[in-house]
Parts: sequence; structure tokens; C-alpha cells
Amino acid sequence: QLQLQESGPGLVKPSETLSLTCTVSGGSVSASSYYWGWFRQRPGKGLEWVGTIYYNGPTYYNPSLKSRVTISLDKLRNEFSLRLTSVTAADTAVYYCARPETPMLFDAFNIWGQGTIVTVSS
Amino acid sequence: QSALTQPASVSGSPGQSITISCTGTSSDVGGYDYVSWYQQHPGKAPKLMIFDVIDRPSGVSDRFSGSKSGNTASLTISGLQAEDEADYFCSSYTGSRTLVFGGGTKLTVL
Repeated sequence: QLQLQESGPGLVKPSETLSLTCTVSGGSVSASSYYWGWFRQRPGKGLEWVGTIYYNGPTYYNPSLKSRVTISLDKLRNEFSLRLTSVTAADTAVYYCARPETPMLFDAFNIWGQGTIVTVSS
Repeated sequence: QSALTQPASVSGSPGQSITISCTGTSSDVGGYDYVSWYQQHPGKAPKLMIFDVIDRPSGVSDRFSGSKSGNTASLTISGLQAEDEADYFCSSYTGSRTLVFGGGTKLTVL
């Protein structure tokens, strides 16, 4: 059974880079035709799609974050990562990683990590 | 890429049916049959309830159903139960491998 676990610093200073990792167990990030996604939820707000990476590398980002976001896969460590540069208080959120249960589905994420809280503050 | 529009809140009594709307444009909801609905209880990760407008993942109750007309998608919950009380979010594919979410709807079971 696939499980996802987010990890990373809970506190990041303004203007610095937020880096999070999603560790995958019970499956492989190299598994053919799966999309792996990052999402966030600001305090008291709705869900926001951050970006998605395909199993063989192509990446897709939220246009509003595209200039600051990088998502990558690490096949050896069986994990995928999120980097968000030049953070501000507006990037304070719970960050989730997720994957669809079915390969080739881009939009239907039904396996989620528990989420990790990231606060941007000096 | 603007957020999809959902009502802030809806409510219903146990046993009743409720419908949550999700309005977008012809560039997202109206242009693709790739609308999903997520349920989120406080402090928990989202749970996929409906995908591709009408499909239910395995394990999701058939009390949950989805539909779409034009630029508006809808989630209907029939036979409302106390455990259905949660926040519900819609999402839509917008083309060029991007997604957009609605602002969320708080469902209260009276």
C-alpha cells in the first residue's frame, strides 16, 4: 500500500528557500505513468495546486508560482521534492504531497501525505 | 487562472440531499470532463470523492455523485449523514497540464 510522508523545516525565513521532501513507501517514484503532486493550504483557506511531476521527469507548475517553484524526483532515494524560492508570509501553509491511484491520471489525487506545516517568519 | 466559485456554506438535515456547485469557465470546468471533488475534515488530508466529473474511486459511498452542465459542476450528497460534515473542494483541469481549485464549501449537517 503506497504511503507518502512530507518532511522539511517547519520554519523558513522570509526571502529564503522552502525545501520539502515527500518520501514514498510501498511503491516507486519510477513507476510508469504516474503523476506526483504538491499542494498547499494556507491557514483557513482552500486547497491550492502547487505543481506536478511525471514519473519520467516533465514538470507542470501553477502559473502563479511558476517563477519560484521547482519539483524534482530522486529515484535512488525514492522521493520527490519541492523547492519554493523567495518565500514570504503568504507562503505559510500546510504542504501536502499526493499521487493518483491510477496511472496517467493528472487530476485525481487519492493518495495523500499527512501534510507538513511550514511557517514563513523571521 | 482564477479560482473556481463555490458557495461558502451549505447545510442540510440527516437523510436529506444537498448539492454543492462549482462554477468556472469554458477554459476549465466547461472545457474538460476533468472535475474532481475532495472532502476534507478538520486537520486531515483531503479525500478524493469524485473524479472525471462523475466517477467514484473505490470505497467511496454511492451517496456521493457528480454532474456537470456547461461551466458548472455539481456534487450531490444524498441521505446526508453526520460524518459528511466537512469542507468540500472542487478542482478542474485547465489545459496545458494545470489544475485550479474552488475556494471550498463548508457542509453543516444540522
